[in-house]
Amino acid sequence: DAGVTQSPTHLIKTRGQQVTLRCSPKSGHDTVSWYQQALGQGPQFIFQYYEEEERQRGNFPDRFSGHQYPNYSSELNVNALLLGDSALYLCASSYRTGGSEQYFGPGTRLTVT
Amino acid sequence: AQSVTQLGSHVSVSEGALVLLRCNYSSSVPPYLFWYVQYPNQGLQLLLKYTSAATLVKGINGFEAEFKKSETSFHLTKPSAHMSDAAEYFCAVSSSGGYQKVTFGTGTKLQVIP
Repeated sequence: DAGVTQSPTHLIKTRGQQVTLRCSPKSGHDTVSWYQQALGQGPQFIFQYYEEEERQRGNFPDRFSGHQYPNYSSELNVNALLLGDSALYLCASSYRTGGSEQYFGPGTRLTVT
Repeated sequence: AQSVTQLGSHVSVSEGALVLLRCNYSSSVPPYLFWYVQYPNQGLQLLLKYTSAATLVKGINGFEAEFKKSETSFHLTKPSAHMSDAAEYFCAVSSSGGYQKVTFGTGTKLQVIP
């Protein structure tokens, strides 16, 4: 059983560019959450998708947007990249019932130069 | 609103010694609580979770945590540290109902000294 997968593993972009990160959830999971983890910090919640809709959102600007497909996979898009967007982006999947744990992917390391 | 405070950004223990990582939470509703471990350049792995069934929760790799409502704490312990336990540990909280916005603490880096 494949766990949560993310692509790409690493990415280098220039300020002002746009980036798309991808996530495939663990088999049987229907909910995908995205987190940003800056160096030396804990993960910060960006947003969560369920039934192809954004259900909850953290304190991130509109430059951060997402999408969930019918097969539950998800994308995170970031527009107008800033140097401060450099971080490890983690995708987590879970089943929608409250309290079920989230399973994390290995992350995508984004570097903005 | 929910939040988590991890006391001590770095903890050092000798191999074989007790591991104690501290976590205090704040939640306006009954919480779900989690401990995750992160090894360098990897994602997070769930160690254990509390979902109101039992206050003493046993997890993987010999770790356990006790939920103490009166102290709003959920400290992580392991009786005997192993070199392979060196990693960063995150405490997290989510609300018991609805969609699961998980709030993480800032992490505690555990060093195990041989």
